[in-house]
Amino acid sequence: SAVISQKPSRDICQRGTSLTIQCQVDSQVTMMFWYRQQPGQSLTLIATANQGSEATYESGFVIDKFPISRPNLTFSTLTVSNMSPEDSSIYLCSADRRTDTQYFGPGTRLTVL
Amino acid sequence: QQPVQSPQAVILREGEDAVINCSSSKALYSVHWYRQKHGEAPVFLMILLKGGEQKGHEKISASFNEKKQQSSLYLTASQLSYSGTYFCGTDQTGANNLFFGTGTRLTVIP
Repeated sequence: SAVISQKPSRDICQRGTSLTIQCQVDSQVTMMFWYRQQPGQSLTLIATANQGSEATYESGFVIDKFPISRPNLTFSTLTVSNMSPEDSSIYLCSADRRTDTQYFGPGTRLTVL
Repeated sequence: QQPVQSPQAVILREGEDAVINCSSSKALYSVHWYRQKHGEAPVFLMILLKGGEQKGHEKISASFNEKKQQSSLYLTASQLSYSGTYFCGTDQTGANNLFFGTGTRLTVIP
């Protein structure tokens, strides 16, 4: 398995501002993923973060709103830009090493006022 | 693309068994099962691969019908610690891009 940490664990932000969430893995991984989860709901894949190339976004998510960086094999960031109350959610990163499944970080609980 | 799970919720007494189903409209490469407790990250339980390979938890079993794009998770002799929301994650290509199901909330009572 992989141990994954996220920072911050939670934040309260004002409308119109941006927040960058960091995800750190304790070992090198091939793929990293970013998900959004509304309280009581399922997980929705935002994008796949590839090292050395641009992230691949799922339908309904765009780079201008959710820019992602993947500077190396153990770290990624997700920025939630120009936030609105609809962006309030839990954001989770996950990682896999192509030998088994995805392992999740503890999540970042975001509230936008 | 979201898989559909059934039932949506189930309440069990300790020691009882449960089956959770996951159905996809797309052809699948693998199915991954997770359990999430309130306020925590999803925890990996089991992966079922096309062709029959399985990797996972000792006390939990699952099946994968590739032709029907369906998977079932079998929880036997349930314990209080089994409580949580169970999600299936489906992978269509082998790239481990998972689309998660609607979730099944399982509550085990003494």
